Amino acid sequence: DAGVIQSPRHEVTEMGQEVTLRCKPISGHNSLFWYRQTMMRGLELLIYFNNNVPIDDSGMPEDRFSAKMPNASFSTLKIQPSEPRDSAVYFCASSLQAGAKGEQFFGPGTRLTVL
Amino acid sequence: KQEVTQIPAALSVPEGENLVLNCSFTDSAIYNLQWFRQDPGKGLTSLLLIQSSQREQTSGRLNASLDKSSGRSTLYIAASQPGDSATYLCAVSFSNDYKLSFGAGTTVTVRA
Repeated sequence: DAGVIQSPRHEVTEMGQEVTLRCKPISGHNSLFWYRQTMMRGLELLIYFNNNVPIDDSGMPEDRFSAKMPNASFSTLKIQPSEPRDSAVYFCASSLQAGAKGEQFFGPGTRLTVL
Repeated sequence: KQEVTQIPAALSVPEGENLVLNCSFTDSAIYNLQWFRQDPGKGLTSLLLIQSSQREQTSGRLNASLDKSSGRSTLYIAASQPGDSATYLCAVSFSNDYKLSFGAGTTVTVRA
């Protein structure tokens, strides 16, 4: 079975540009999470979807960040405009059960560098 | 505040030695606890999930124990191999919050 798929794996962009990260969860999983990992702050939950509906976006740092899940097999995380402090590794994870009740499976991540 | 702590931050052992990784959490009312492995530049790989009603879980050379009353979990890796070198992360789902709270991780180096 394919795991969580993320694209692109690496993204380098200039400050002010729009960045879109993509995620395909494991088929049949109805919970999807976006995380950000930095050396300073470790892993942080940005947003959590259940059955394609955003349940908790309290971790989204600013209005520059937005996330969508138009269907059960696709989600995007968009940063507009991007800033150097957004440089981090962004992970998508999915789970068969709601919330953090079930085992979470992570994608390989997107390493974002904003110059 | 619900926190997850992993000590030590780094560990180096010779091949064949058993590894003992520690995770402590501040609130005993947890829903589950998950151990992950992260290789440099890679994503997180789930190793074991322990539900709050369980005391341990085993998978191959890995064994994870859970003691809610003392707020501790331990991951044991038997007969370590150089391929076990990675960062190991502990994550806790606290009962009153569905989010996973992550520890900072323990970076393990197994010397051949």
